[in-house]
Amino acid sequence: RKEVEQDPGPFNVPEGATVAFNCTYSNSASQSFFWYRQDCRKEPKLLMSVYSSGNEDGRFTAQLNRASQYISLLIRDSKLSDSATYLCVVNPYSGNTPLVFGKGTRLSVIA
Amino acid sequence: NAGVTQTPKFRVLKTGQSMTLLCAQDMNHEYMYWYRQDPGMGLRLIHYSVGEGTTAKGEVPDGYNVSRLKKQNFLLGLESAAPSQTSVYFCASSYGGVQPQHFGDGTRLSIL
Repeated sequence: RKEVEQDPGPFNVPEGATVAFNCTYSNSASQSFFWYRQDCRKEPKLLMSVYSSGNEDGRFTAQLNRASQYISLLIRDSKLSDSATYLCVVNPYSGNTPLVFGKGTRLSVIA
Repeated sequence: NAGVTQTPKFRVLKTGQSMTLLCAQDMNHEYMYWYRQDPGMGLRLIHYSVGEGTTAKGEVPDGYNVSRLKKQNFLLGLESAAPSQTSVYFCASSYGGVQPQHFGDGTRLSIL
């Protein structure tokens, strides 16, 4: 099983729709989880951290399911500007081991 | 506050030439990283450093060397460039291994 797995998409959704992505991780001892956003030909940017109790930032909600070893990202009221690739990021092992980035899920929001 | 700065932004090399990519961060981060990203693919870790004077291999280290002589700088070297090294290179830094990474805006490298 790969350390971090994501559905590559693309997810094509109309403006105003709600869309959710899941990401599975292999190491049950993982402690840090993040979602990043990457626009075409740009650098990845931190979107939000994922906390055990789940967390929300405006239209974005992140959740962690330790029992099933996945994290999720929910986007409500999608905007055209949400079109991007969303990267799931997990620390797979000890604290000194770099974070592992998923290959990303591509989202296209259509007018 | 510049964050993570990469130089150069673009470069074209001929096969066999050498060059060094520079990454500088002003956030006092301990950890620094070099990634490459090819079209339609995810980030692949080349080398990383957990502090000044340290380096470690990542997923795809062959053909690259790195140095971290100063805490704020992390250099990536290509001794003999090959067409397979044509890519976008991203540098990143973080406080620690489990903290989020902050990225530079990339170096687009073409090797002919």
